[in-house]
Amino acid sequence: GAGVSQSPSNKVTEKGKDVELRCDPISGHTALYWYRQRLGQGLEFLIYFQGNSAPDKSGLPSDRFSAERTGESVSTLTIQRTQQEDSAVYLCASSLRPGGGEQFFGPGTRLTVL
Amino acid sequence: AQSVTQLDSQVPVFEEAPVELRCNYSSSVSVYLFWYVQYPNQGLQLLLKYLSGSTLVKGINGFEAEFNKSQTSFHLRKPSVHISDTAEYFCAVLTSGSRLTFGEGTQLTVNP
Repeated sequence: GAGVSQSPSNKVTEKGKDVELRCDPISGHTALYWYRQRLGQGLEFLIYFQGNSAPDKSGLPSDRFSAERTGESVSTLTIQRTQQEDSAVYLCASSLRPGGGEQFFGPGTRLTVL
Repeated sequence: AQSVTQLDSQVPVFEEAPVELRCNYSSSVSVYLFWYVQYPNQGLQLLLKYLSGSTLVKGINGFEAEFNKSQTSFHLRKPSVHISDTAEYFCAVLTSGSRLTFGEGTQLTVNP
């Protein structure tokens, strides 16, 4: 596709359930990033992939959060035992290369934990 | 640690007026700086970036920003805004080689 796509666009879940959020980066982009945007706030970095390895996952807020990436393609962010404070928009971005290359953002997944 | 401060959370202006959105950063190393725009219910779009070279950077939609190392600032300007410029604007600095650290955003509202 022409841009970064994310699915689902909206997800409503009950507290304690697990959720999976998907990101399809731009074809050929080696770097992939996950950010979280809470209501009225800026974006918080979660994790960065170079290929299918994650050199920087220091932004993951707890061990309930995990992510994986298949090659230089799709990435999945998993949140286990969701809590209300996990409610946010989760944004994925990709770039041709890390370090200075423009990051292209997807439209995000709005997660609501009831 | 690198950080970004956007001094104004909301900036209301009238159409065709000039606007400046302020951004200050803290960093002890060379910086790469970015401005992104987020229109309602859309993802982020890059407006402009400073990597090196000329300190005055021109971006899309008539926006420009000036990198000022001594004042650690990267303010965004437009000489004449349109209603369609109403959006949230985020300043960001590239941290640790790869991650972006964002400010909390400035909501620009252009009124007729």
